[in-house]
Amino acid sequence: GAVVSQHPSRVICKSGTSVKIECRSLDFQATTMFWYRQFPKQSLMLMATSNEGSKATYEQGVEKDKFLINHASLTLSTLTVTSAHPEDSSFYICSARDRSVGTEAFFGQGTRLTVV
Amino acid sequence: DQQVKQNSPSLSVQEGRISILNCDYTNSMFDYFLWYKKYPAEGPTFLISISSIKDKNEDGRFTVFLNKSAKHLSLHIVPSQPGDSAVYFCAASLSGNTPLVFGKGTRLSVIA
Repeated sequence: GAVVSQHPSRVICKSGTSVKIECRSLDFQATTMFWYRQFPKQSLMLMATSNEGSKATYEQGVEKDKFLINHASLTLSTLTVTSAHPEDSSFYICSARDRSVGTEAFFGQGTRLTVV
Repeated sequence: DQQVKQNSPSLSVQEGRISILNCDYTNSMFDYFLWYKKYPAEGPTFLISISSIKDKNEDGRFTVFLNKSAKHLSLHIVPSQPGDSAVYFCAASLSGNTPLVFGKGTRLSVIA
């Protein structure tokens, strides 16, 4: 099946610094990728839709200047958390759908971000 | 307003018995439904799906039932195994390359 790889799996950063998370589709081309955030014991909340070659579409309440998304190629999307604060600590997950295979979405392994 | 609801946050089942996880949705435009399994600090893993034109899909120990008139679907796991212990998310999809809409998840504990 299709594979989505996310890196890093875990990162600890100081408050005020920026962190970049990469999401790659390894064996298929993804014109669209999705970024989710999961708080403890809660569901996966969609943050934004990353579109290859164009601007990302952000969900209501998500600061586009804080969560920068770049989808430079058909296999790579990046999420940069800028000027991170402790409240940004969370579990971030990317996903992509390979329409040639089926309708299910494949998820990366997730990134546990801790801002200290 | 939650479009996909999993009203049971947790479920405990004895090993060998059937586990039934429920999910309700409100948007009648959803045309595809999926179940994902998730362990802590990992991404969700796809389990099984069903198209809105079907009412049942079976894959090994996992069966998903869809009742469109009630806007309800359920995941049956039989027999349940300790390794099935995880959080199960129900998700729904509109046609096209749109993001999945997730329920809040149900934590399943299978007791040996």
